[in-house]
Amino acid sequence: EAQVTQNPRYLITVTGKKLTVTCSQNMNHEYMSWYRQDPGLGLRQIYYSMNVEVTDKGDVPEGYKVSRKEKRNFPLILESPSPNQTSLYFCASSSLTGLGEKLFFGSGTQLSVL
Amino acid sequence: DQQVKQNSPSLSVQEGRISILNCDYTNSMFDYFLWYKKYPAEGPTFLISISSIKDKNEDGRFTVFLNKSAKHLSLHIVPSQPGDSAVYFCAAPGHSGGYQKVTFGTGTKLQVIP
Repeated sequence: EAQVTQNPRYLITVTGKKLTVTCSQNMNHEYMSWYRQDPGLGLRQIYYSMNVEVTDKGDVPEGYKVSRKEKRNFPLILESPSPNQTSLYFCASSSLTGLGEKLFFGSGTQLSVL
Repeated sequence: DQQVKQNSPSLSVQEGRISILNCDYTNSMFDYFLWYKKYPAEGPTFLISISSIKDKNEDGRFTVFLNKSAKHLSLHIVPSQPGDSAVYFCAAPGHSGGYQKVTFGTGTKLQVIP
């Protein structure tokens, strides 16, 4: 089954404690991206990757890091989480075969930073 | 600068009636638009898309209309069903059709009342 898998689904942590949210896709997609969803703000792009070793900032990259060492994995790293990073996070992937290709999303990670 | 706007945070419709969800955009370079549907505790899923060279695209009960002169698109659901109750996001990939920046609207929560 084609899917994007995020882990964990829920995470509660404290300010300053480094964490990683994993994302993996089994569709051989070149493109992967991270979004955060906040009330009244919709989905905002954090980082994206066009292929292995190719990453770039989205609209709200501050406080986040990513890496793309393998095509299927795109982890999101919070080196020193702060309460304003409490949010619902989604990983997504897509092929780049044509215009308007749809994104496939993971089920989300609800992060609370205390 | 919110380039894609959904000005109605919520909408309630009776079962069997038409639901109309609206989306406005400011960037005339967008050449593709997509609608995603999101249920609670799940990631968004692709619903329907439209190219800027068209003014209408239909898929079963779902039709998207594009008015380029007004920079406005709308999603029509006819007839509405309780299972359509979800949050709907409109989205626009980067102007070249690539995915460097997929801009999402803030979402409209649709409630279909049985």
